[in-house]
Amino acid sequence: EAQVTQNPRYLITVTGKKLTVTCSQNMNHEYMSWYRQDPGLGLRQIYYSMNVEVTDKGDVPEGYKVSRKEKRNFPLILESPSPNQTSLYFCASSSFTGTGGDVKGYTFGSGTRLTVV
Amino acid sequence: AQKVTQAQTEISVVEKEDVTLDCVYETRDTTYYLFWYKQPPSGELVFLIRRNSFDEQNEISGRYSWNFQKSTSSFNFTITASQVVDSAVYFCALSEARSGAGSYQLTFGKGTKLSVIP
Repeated sequence: EAQVTQNPRYLITVTGKKLTVTCSQNMNHEYMSWYRQDPGLGLRQIYYSMNVEVTDKGDVPEGYKVSRKEKRNFPLILESPSPNQTSLYFCASSSFTGTGGDVKGYTFGSGTRLTVV
Repeated sequence: AQKVTQAQTEISVVEKEDVTLDCVYETRDTTYYLFWYKQPPSGELVFLIRRNSFDEQNEISGRYSWNFQKSTSSFNFTITASQVVDSAVYFCALSEARSGAGSYQLTFGKGTKLSVIP
């Protein structure tokens, strides 16, 4: 089954304790992205990756890191989490045919609900 | 910069009523993609439809239909004969297909919470 898998689904952690949220897709998609969803603010892009070893900042990258060493994986790293990073996080992937190409559509993971206390 | 506006924050309808969710977008590109996603109470994002900027045909899928009008930059979503299972938050989103910074970024509206009352 074609899917984007995020882990964990729920996580409660303490301020300053490094954590990683994993994201893996089995569709051979070039494009992967992380979003956070907050009440009243909607979904905002954190980071995205156009392909292996190619990553760039989205709208709200502060406090986050990502890496894309393999095509299928795109982990989100919070090196020193703070309470304002409490949110619902989504990973997404998509296929496209390059510059100006056709975006096939985005597949989202099930979400990770993170609470930082 | 691209922007998506969903002016209706919350809508309540009685089961079997029709309901239309509005979406207005802004973009400077001629090539772009529009999407609708459903977020049920369980939290996942469910893809409903994708439309590219060159295809203004309306689309119907069962009880769902979409009306895309470039002249008014709108991509509205209608649910006919609503059901309780349609209760969810619905998001309209826009992606510009171009290279450079922000490539293929999916910009979401703030969402419309639909409650269908039995």
